[in-house]
Amino acid sequence: RKEVEQDPGPFNVPEGATVAFNCTYSNSASQSFFWYRQDCRKEPKLLMSVYSSGNEDGRFTAQLNRASQYISLLIRDSKLSDSATYLCVVKFTGTASKLTFGTGTRLQVTL
Amino acid sequence: DTAVSQTPKYLVTQMGNDKSIKCEQNLGHDTMYWYKQDSKKFLKIMFSYNNKELIINETVPNRFSPKSPDKAHLNLHINSLELGDSAVYFCASSHLSGSTDTQYFGPGTRLTVL
Repeated sequence: RKEVEQDPGPFNVPEGATVAFNCTYSNSASQSFFWYRQDCRKEPKLLMSVYSSGNEDGRFTAQLNRASQYISLLIRDSKLSDSATYLCVVKFTGTASKLTFGTGTRLQVTL
Repeated sequence: DTAVSQTPKYLVTQMGNDKSIKCEQNLGHDTMYWYKQDSKKFLKIMFSYNNKELIINETVPNRFSPKSPDKAHLNLHINSLELGDSAVYFCASSHLSGSTDTQYFGPGTRLTVL
């Protein structure tokens, strides 16, 4: 079983739609959680960290469920510019600064 | 100003050759990384250096040798290149002891081995 699993998609949604991505991780000794965004042929960039209480940044909401070992990302009012691959990232306890990436979920927002 | 830079951006070479990729960060971070992203887009860490000391060394063939001359630089030398080494190699940096530990990535080096 992969350490971090995501549905690869693609998710094709119209502009203005709400879309949610899920991610599961296998190691309960996980310390920190993040969502990164990667545009085609570009480097990954941090979108947001994920906190236990859930957090929001504009149209983006991240949730963490430690009991179910599950992270989610909700994007409201999708824009064309949201089209990208969204990477779920976990830092496991005791692994220095090693980040473990999911394979990513591809989002395509259309007119 | 570029925070994490890599050279070259593209590298096309023959099997069996030796090549190097350079990385520099001007963020004042103490930790640098090399990642490999294969054709399936899976991003996997290879190495990490903290203050010039190797702290992460994943199962990588010993044909790959990282070198960190100082905190701001982490280079990757690859000997006897193989077809399977074709991938995008990303350098990244962060503050190991920082509260956010956000990793900032360079633009990537697209390596093609013929």
